[in-house]
Amino acid sequence: GAVVSQHPSWVICKSGTSVKIECRSLDFQATTMFWYRQFPKQSLMLMATSNEGSKATYEQGVEKDKFLINHASLTLSTLTVTSAHPEDSSFYICSARGNPSTDTQYFGPGTRLTVL
Amino acid sequence: AQTVTQSQPEMSVQEAETVTLSCTYDTSESDYYLFWYKQPPSRQMILVIRQEAYKQQNATENRFSVNFQKAAKSFSLKISDSQLGDAAMYFCAYRSRAQKLVFGQGTRLTINP
Repeated sequence: GAVVSQHPSWVICKSGTSVKIECRSLDFQATTMFWYRQFPKQSLMLMATSNEGSKATYEQGVEKDKFLINHASLTLSTLTVTSAHPEDSSFYICSARGNPSTDTQYFGPGTRLTVL
Repeated sequence: AQTVTQSQPEMSVQEAETVTLSCTYDTSESDYYLFWYKQPPSRQMILVIRQEAYKQQNATENRFSVNFQKAAKSFSLKISDSQLGDAAMYFCAYRSRAQKLVFGQGTRLTINP
C-alpha cells in the first residue's frame, strides 16, 4: 500500500506554545488529506479535510483558529495547534487519498501531543 | 447520515482458530466502499481489506476475507488461522464516492496463545 509519513511521532510542549505536525504522502499525490484526533480506546474523530491549494473544511465543533491546516502541495499537509493547552493533548493522525472517487485512504503513524 | 456499527467491543480467539468480527452500516447510497482497518498497539492504521459495493464477490486477502451482504447492510471480517500479530483494534469503515470515511466504534481482538 501507499506510504504516509508523519512528523514528529511525539512532542511535548508547554502550555501556550504552538506545535506543527507534518504529514507527507511519500509515493503518491494526495489530492485530499484528512486530520483525525483519537482519544484513548476510542475511534478516530475527523477534525478537518483539506484539498491541495484550498482552505480546509472543518468538522462541526473543531476550532479552525485553534487547529490551522495548510495543504500547500500534493504531498504535504501541516496541522498547527496554536496556543496549545493541556486539553489539546491527544493522538493526532493524518490520512491521505489520491483519486477522490476511488482511492483508498492511507494513514500516517500518528503524533502523540502532550501539553504540560 | 451514514452510520457504522460494530456491536462487539471485544473479541478473543485461540491462536490458529478462526474469528469473525461483525459490522453493519446504514446508507441510502448504492455506490460505496467498505473497509476494514487494523490498529495494532503501535497505533498505525493499516488497511486490511476493501470491498466495492458493486462487486458481488467477497474480497479476500490471504487469511482475511469478508462476508458482504449488501441487502442486509452487513460487512463482517473473517480471520482464519489467527496469529499473535493479529491482535489489534479493528475498525470497520464506510465511504461513498468522494466523501469522508465513517468509522465504527472498533473491536478489540485478543489472540490467546
